[in-house]
Amino acid sequence: NAGVTQTPKFQVLKTGQSMTLQCAQDMNHEYMSWYRQDPGMGLRLIHYSVGAGITDQGEVPNGYNVSRSTTEDFPLRLLSAAPSQTSVYFCASTMDRNTEAFFGQGTRLTVV
Amino acid sequence: QQQVKQSPQSLIVQKGGISIINCAYENTAFDYFPWYQQFPGKGPALLIAIRPDVSEKKEGRFTISFNKSAKQFSLHIMDSQPGDSATYFCAARNDYKLSFGAGTTVTVRA
Repeated sequence: NAGVTQTPKFQVLKTGQSMTLQCAQDMNHEYMSWYRQDPGMGLRLIHYSVGAGITDQGEVPNGYNVSRSTTEDFPLRLLSAAPSQTSVYFCASTMDRNTEAFFGQGTRLTVV
Repeated sequence: QQQVKQSPQSLIVQKGGISIINCAYENTAFDYFPWYQQFPGKGPALLIAIRPDVSEKKEGRFTISFNKSAKQFSLHIMDSQPGDSATYFCAARNDYKLSFGAGTTVTVRA
């Protein structure tokens, strides 16, 4: 029973590089989201999706892209990494708006 | 600007003591208030949650108190144990979107 799986767990990027953070869930949840966690700021919503083909911006979307071609996968793309994107990234999924959110184990990203 | 304000930032409690964490919000569209527990290197996990039509919810040693008129809610951890040492986040949900507090690091001394 995998739940929400994020890869990689750790990543170091140089400024200007691009990369994709992977997120997959096996619970057939419609709603998926990406958060970043920074010290003293809790978790902030980057992008979310309410189903395949539907995405929208959260609180801090700049510098990130998402797409949702399948129910299971919701990748997060950094187009040109900046040091301000150094953070821990969490993917979450929810069955519907009345149930709890399940979080992945996180990806710790460092941009140098 | 955070929509959910959480305090304190950290607290230390003796084993067997009570930990209290407070949160406040402004957006009356929030309709679900969960608390998450996070251990180092792990993702947040749901601990307990409450809806605004209920003033208190208890699950084991964990209790949420909710004051709708004051737009405040709090988590009480009774008989705190060393295994409770973690970071706790309050959150509030509007539709599918969660807004989180800044987190409280709880340390339980044996």
